[in-house]
Amino acid sequence: DGGITQSPKYLFRKEGQNVTLSCEQNLNHDAMYWYRQDPGQGLRLIYYSQIVNDFQKGDIAEGYSVSREKKESFPLTVTSAQKNPTAFYLCASRRLAGGPSDTQYFGPGTRLTVL
Amino acid sequence: GENVEQHPSTLSVQEGDSAVIKCTYSDSASNYFPWYKQELGKRPQLIIDIRSNVGEKKDQRIAVTLNKTAKHFSLHITETQPEDSAVYFCAATRHQFYFGTGTSLTVIP
Repeated sequence: DGGITQSPKYLFRKEGQNVTLSCEQNLNHDAMYWYRQDPGQGLRLIYYSQIVNDFQKGDIAEGYSVSREKKESFPLTVTSAQKNPTAFYLCASRRLAGGPSDTQYFGPGTRLTVL
Repeated sequence: GENVEQHPSTLSVQEGDSAVIKCTYSDSASNYFPWYKQELGKRPQLIIDIRSNVGEKKDQRIAVTLNKTAKHFSLHITETQPEDSAVYFCAATRHQFYFGTGTSLTVIP
């Protein structure tokens, strides 16, 4: 888990602003994921990427955007189009070769609050 | 796509008792089933996992069982301790991970 970092830990946004959440991993994992977690709910997939320069929408992609220019980095931008962005955001990564490497490892999370 | 249901949503047990959390899944092609523990404000951490070619796996006080025919799998925690108090998530995956909605476990000293 120490190989996945997210920043910042806490983020405050004014309505109408775009903000970008950072996620970096040094595990040489192929795939990276962004999840949103709301109180009392499970993890909902926003976007995921299995290779550089390619990514797919998850279940709740509206109002979010991502890029995957480097294998180790997968930033998430929360745009002003996301009407209710206050949540805990978790980044995860995973190697795709199979076996024990199937496990998905999570970063420490970013708590975003809209003021 | 896959649909994972998890029960119960909350569970309270006395210290030393056992706790059981159950999950069902819909996609028979799912072949990997991890369980994560999440403490308040922290990241989910893998505690145990099982593959579709195995029926049961145990690691000290924690065990997971899988019934492929019925498409359900369960987490068993024996001799519970206060530090086991957390939210537990199951997941089913073939490529993409699908998570249950979580079980908040409270172990009462």
